[in-house]
Amino acid sequence: AQRVTQPEKLLSVFKGAPVELKCNYSYSGSPELFWYVQYSRQRLQLLLRHISRESIKGFTADLNKGETSFHLKKPFAQEEDSAMYYCALSDNNNDMRFGAGTRLTVKP
Amino acid sequence: NAGVTQTPKFQVLKTGQSMTLQCAQDMNHNSMYWYRQDPGMGLRLIYYSASEGTTDKGEVPNGYNVSRLNKREFSLRLESAAPSQTSVYFCASNRDRGPYEQYFGPGTRLTVT
Repeated sequence: AQRVTQPEKLLSVFKGAPVELKCNYSYSGSPELFWYVQYSRQRLQLLLRHISRESIKGFTADLNKGETSFHLKKPFAQEEDSAMYYCALSDNNNDMRFGAGTRLTVKP
Repeated sequence: NAGVTQTPKFQVLKTGQSMTLQCAQDMNHNSMYWYRQDPGMGLRLIYYSASEGTTDKGEVPNGYNVSRLNKREFSLRLESAAPSQTSVYFCASNRDRGPYEQYFGPGTRLTVT
């Protein structure tokens, strides 16, 4: 069965520092991978998906099939990036699996 | 457009009580989902409805039932609540099952004492 692992429950960085939220997956097929974000008092929303190869709010994520990873990166963190981040995988059976989430805090 | 709406926002139940969580979407989506969110566990799928008239079990269906009332509405019922069902419940929808963006409701925080 596929699994999505986010090894860090909590991550804290200072404003302006680079940030990387880790996501590893186990899946034998070709996965579709996503990052969702939940800001304080807001609903969960899509941040980006690997197939789009886009940068949203300065965040990027590269699918590394060799390392089975889809880490989320931003070169200069902002205080408004503080949120809960979920990595998710959609498999060939159309099931969406979410990781346990990482709470990012960006300190001033 | 309201997107995905859920009621109630908060609920406290006693063990053994029943209740129904309501969800509605106005985006003409075919697929709808119910998740529960627990600390350290992420979001786990309880039930889903791939299209109007169909429902299927997800990862953690025990203790729950669902009804896809029409294309817009998808309800989740707890017949006999247990403390283990204390959680935050999210409804979501998307155009179809598969690698498509899911749109989430604001959540229902349920406490079972």
